[in-house]
Amino acid sequence: NAGVTQTPKFRVLKTGQSMTLLCAQDMNHEYMYWYRQDPGMGLRLIHYSVGEGTTAKGEVPDGYNVSRLKKQNFLLGLESAAPSQTSVYFCASSYGGISYNEQFFGPGTRLTVL
Amino acid sequence: AQTVTQSQPEMSVQEAETVTLSCTYDTSENNYYLFWYKQPPSRQMILVIRQEAYKQQNATENRFSVNFQKAAKSFSLKISDSQLGDTAMYFCAFGNEKLTFGTGTRLTIIP
Repeated sequence: NAGVTQTPKFRVLKTGQSMTLLCAQDMNHEYMYWYRQDPGMGLRLIHYSVGEGTTAKGEVPDGYNVSRLKKQNFLLGLESAAPSQTSVYFCASSYGGISYNEQFFGPGTRLTVL
Repeated sequence: AQTVTQSQPEMSVQEAETVTLSCTYDTSENNYYLFWYKQPPSRQMILVIRQEAYKQQNATENRFSVNFQKAAKSFSLKISDSQLGDTAMYFCAFGNEKLTFGTGTRLTIIP
């Protein structure tokens, strides 16, 4: 099993450009999450999904959109990138429900917006 | 709002010593889970240990153990016989459907 994978691993954008980050998991998890990690701030939840076709806002959703068309994939989009979105982005997944709810993380994507 | 506080931004200990990382949290919920994650320089987030809030018994995982005090909303991590490979950022997190993370403690094990 590959676990949670993220594409791409690194990306440099110019202000105003758009891009999509792809997260894929092969563990048949119901829940998927997108976080951003900034120095000194830990991980902050951007958006999450509790199942195929569902999405919900997290702590810092502004400037991002997500889609969960397939259970195994969770896409994070930036329509018009800004320097404030320079960060490391992590995707995670979990079984969800009343369980351990341990989240399994991808390797991260380092995004730089110039 | 749920919050997590890790009051020790950095710590360092000699190899083979014991170290305790502190974590406090605030929530009005009664049923939740608590986690410690490790993030080495590779950036990969790795689960160290988990604790169910409804269990009074503290979780242990080899050299890692927790001291969970639900009334005090405290969840500290003890690392015994520390090893060089324990050098990493450690994040405390809690929640259920969603997790709230602390800002992390950078732990350095000195040879």
